[in-house]
Amino acid sequence: EPEVTQTPSHQVTQMGQEVILRCVPISNHLYFYWYRQILGQKVEFLVSFYNNEISEKSEIFDDQFSVERPDGSNFTLKIRSTKLEDSAMYFCASSLGTDPYEQYFGPGTRLTVT
Amino acid sequence: RKEVEQDPGPFNVPEGATVAFNCTYSNSASQSFFWYRQDCRKEPKLLMSVYSSGNEDGRFTAQLNRASQYISLLIRDSKLSDSATYLCVVNVGNAGNMLTFGGGTRLMVKP
Repeated sequence: EPEVTQTPSHQVTQMGQEVILRCVPISNHLYFYWYRQILGQKVEFLVSFYNNEISEKSEIFDDQFSVERPDGSNFTLKIRSTKLEDSAMYFCASSLGTDPYEQYFGPGTRLTVT
Repeated sequence: RKEVEQDPGPFNVPEGATVAFNCTYSNSASQSFFWYRQDCRKEPKLLMSVYSSGNEDGRFTAQLNRASQYISLLIRDSKLSDSATYLCVVNVGNAGNMLTFGGGTRLMVKP
């Protein structure tokens, strides 16, 4: 069964550094998403991406964040100048479309900012 | 008011029991509804979509009441492997297809 994959599984970085989280969505899916989950809290939407453009972004997704689909398979989330409060699990998801709209999640990247 | 609200639990039930979870959502424009399960420190996994007429998938039954903005999940004949956090998830149907998650209800099935 096709799966969303993410690398790395765990990233430790120092405050102020830039990180890039990588995702390979399910191959025939067209919509891609990033969510995050701070430990003990609910899953929160960051951004959705379709046709090489951001479709929607949340208040969390400020100028510190950016997304890119650099090639036909990868989807990346860049976090510039990381802060302690960026420590969280970051999940990538993809869906075939918006109808059907079921989103399938990758295993996540645990980001720890020290 | 929380957008998607769930009783955090935990619900402690014996194997074989029937357990029901409820969820309310605040946005009346919500169009799509889902139950996901999440194991500790793992990704949310889609359990089932929830349709207006209600739907069943094996031991799992989901119901939607749009008038009351209420979603339910019923698990029959609970298994030890059902122990997880169950997430109520809503999509308002905008272009970005954003999912809004509840905080989850934790289920612990005991032998």
